[in-house]
Amino acid sequence: GAGVSQSPSNKVTEKGKDVELRCDPISGHTALYWYRQSLGQGLEFLIYFQGNSAPDKSGLPSDRFSAERTGGSVSTLTIQRTQQEDSAVYLCASSWDRGNGNQPQHFGDGTRLSIL
Amino acid sequence: ILNVEQSPQSLHVQEGDSTNFTCSFPSSNFYALHWYRWETAKSPEALFVMTLNGDEKKKGRISATLNTKEGYSYLYIKGSQPEDSATYLCAPNSGYSTLTFGKGTMLLVSP
Repeated sequence: GAGVSQSPSNKVTEKGKDVELRCDPISGHTALYWYRQSLGQGLEFLIYFQGNSAPDKSGLPSDRFSAERTGGSVSTLTIQRTQQEDSAVYLCASSWDRGNGNQPQHFGDGTRLSIL
Repeated sequence: ILNVEQSPQSLHVQEGDSTNFTCSFPSSNFYALHWYRWETAKSPEALFVMTLNGDEKKKGRISATLNTKEGYSYLYIKGSQPEDSATYLCAPNSGYSTLTFGKGTMLLVSP
């Protein structure tokens, strides 16, 4: 079946511009996660959506970052006024998890974001 | 946020060698331990989710063990092949859905 789909696969933009990254999770998965990997760093948690509950935004690095998940399916991560330190690979994952973390996460191929 | 340590940071072995690496995590408030394989230019792939102390899981030539009392998990690869070259990530969690990933062990298997 279809896996997690992310777009665009690559994005190059100038410092100060806004960017939107899209994630289409596996159909039926209630949980959706955003992570990023900066150069030389591990996978960093950004935000978590679970069903209709309020998202866990505890990993967002600044108020320039926001995300929404419409209709419990597609999610968009928005970065406003991009900075060079935002350059990273942004990964989305989804799972059947109901909130206790014992289900594997299925990852998309990521969006490689480069800020000039 | 959990403190997760993976060692070694990188490993270079020859085809046919068996190898293993370690994931260390806080033993308090443990609920589950995830292992993922991340090949270059691909997305991370789930290998195992382990919850029970003493648990051992196997997938082909790859296996993992879990010690929740002392807070570590070992990942073993028997008879490494070049296609096993990847970064192996572990991520414990404490009963909440978000994971804290280690920095990974980068494995290179030479033919």
